[in-house]
Amino acid sequence: GAVVSQHPSRVICKSGTSVKIECRSLDFQATTMFWYRQFPKQSLMLMATSNEGSKATYEQGVEKDKFLINHASLTLSTLTVTSAHPEDSSFYICSARGLAGYERDTQYFGPGTRLTVL
Amino acid sequence: GDSVTQMEGPVTLSEEAFLTINCTYTATGYPSLFWYVQYPGEGLQLLLKATKADDKGSNKGFEATYRKETTSFHLEKGSVQVSDSAVYFCALSGQAGTALIFGKGTTLSVSS
Repeated sequence: GAVVSQHPSRVICKSGTSVKIECRSLDFQATTMFWYRQFPKQSLMLMATSNEGSKATYEQGVEKDKFLINHASLTLSTLTVTSAHPEDSSFYICSARGLAGYERDTQYFGPGTRLTVL
Repeated sequence: GDSVTQMEGPVTLSEEAFLTINCTYTATGYPSLFWYVQYPGEGLQLLLKATKADDKGSNKGFEATYRKETTSFHLEKGSVQVSDSAVYFCALSGQAGTALIFGKGTTLSVSS
């Protein structure tokens, strides 16, 4: 149980285009999802916290107009990188927290999306 | 604020060696503690967790005990395998509704 999927796993796009990444909790409901960015050989950097039905909360320094987050249901959150540039190339990982009980404080992670902007 | 400190890597071991990766934390209240593992090119997988003092989390031969008196959650394995080579992250649950707080990660490399 507690599986989180991400799509796509890899994407290559041209500079100036937008890319959408989907994060789904497959077998549980998640009121809260998180988006992270990870640079090579570094830890995860939290970008934003996404709560179902409300606006995402962005971490300091993360441009909300560039990284659009939508959390329309208890099982789906999307991250759209708008007008992507080469410096946006990174590994993006989402995670979802269980709704209740024992799993309520546990975050389950997706497999990540490798974005390369040419 | 809450924080997690884990030992710097990389840790290089021979197969069947004993592994310890140190993790200490600073937190208000009574957080849950976690170890996650990340294999190359993949997301993080939950390895084990402990929710209260003196709890021992264990999985796949790894174990860690929640020590409130020393604010530690060290990861151990008695005999590592090449397949254990990965990056290991210690984390704690922050305030309700917030994201986990991660350490910087420790790279483990096991050779045969």
